[in-house]
Amino acid sequence: AQSVTQLGSHVSVSEGALVLLRCNYSSSVPPYLFWYVQYPNQGLQLLLKYTSAATLVKGINGFEAEFKKSETSFHLTKPSAHMSDAAEYFCAVRNRDDKIIFGKGTRLHILP
Amino acid sequence: DAEITQSPRHKITETGRQVTLACHQTWNHNNMFWYRQDLGHGLRLIHYSYGVQDTNKGEVSDGYSVSRSNTEDLPLTLESAASSQTSVYFCASSARGGNTEAFFGQGTRLTVV
Repeated sequence: AQSVTQLGSHVSVSEGALVLLRCNYSSSVPPYLFWYVQYPNQGLQLLLKYTSAATLVKGINGFEAEFKKSETSFHLTKPSAHMSDAAEYFCAVRNRDDKIIFGKGTRLHILP
Repeated sequence: DAEITQSPRHKITETGRQVTLACHQTWNHNNMFWYRQDLGHGLRLIHYSYGVQDTNKGEVSDGYSVSRSNTEDLPLTLESAASSQTSVYFCASSARGGNTEAFFGQGTRLTVV
């Protein structure tokens, strides 16, 4: 079964700085990959998903992710952090049996 | 608009009691999932269903059960609640196959005392 690993349970960046959240997947076949965001006391909301149509995927709120097969990575980036980006971010993979497996999450802190 | 709703949002129960958490979706999705979220563990899959009368165990299924009698609902039952089951529970649904994403409910915070 496929899985994902998120590097860093907490990441802090200054407001206006680049956001980089790391996700690596384990798969020998092209995976279905997702990034979700969770704001405090809320459910998970889809940020973006890899569709295989393009390696650079654009999502909501200015986030994007690049699929790199050679590195088995799907890192999430945003050029300029905003205070409202403070949340927990989850990378996920959909297995061929339709189960969706999540990484352990990365909590993003934005410093003023 | 289609949605997925969980009830109750908060629940306090005593050790040993049976508890049922409700999940209802109006997406008409075949797939439904229950996850628990705990600090340091992310979301872990408890049970899932691919359709009516179908249920499957996830990675942390001990002490939990589900039943699927219609497309819209997948209730999660804790047979005899334990303190280790104190957690936030999320229900999700998705269409079958491909890169279709899952849609999540708002969660149920369960405390077992």
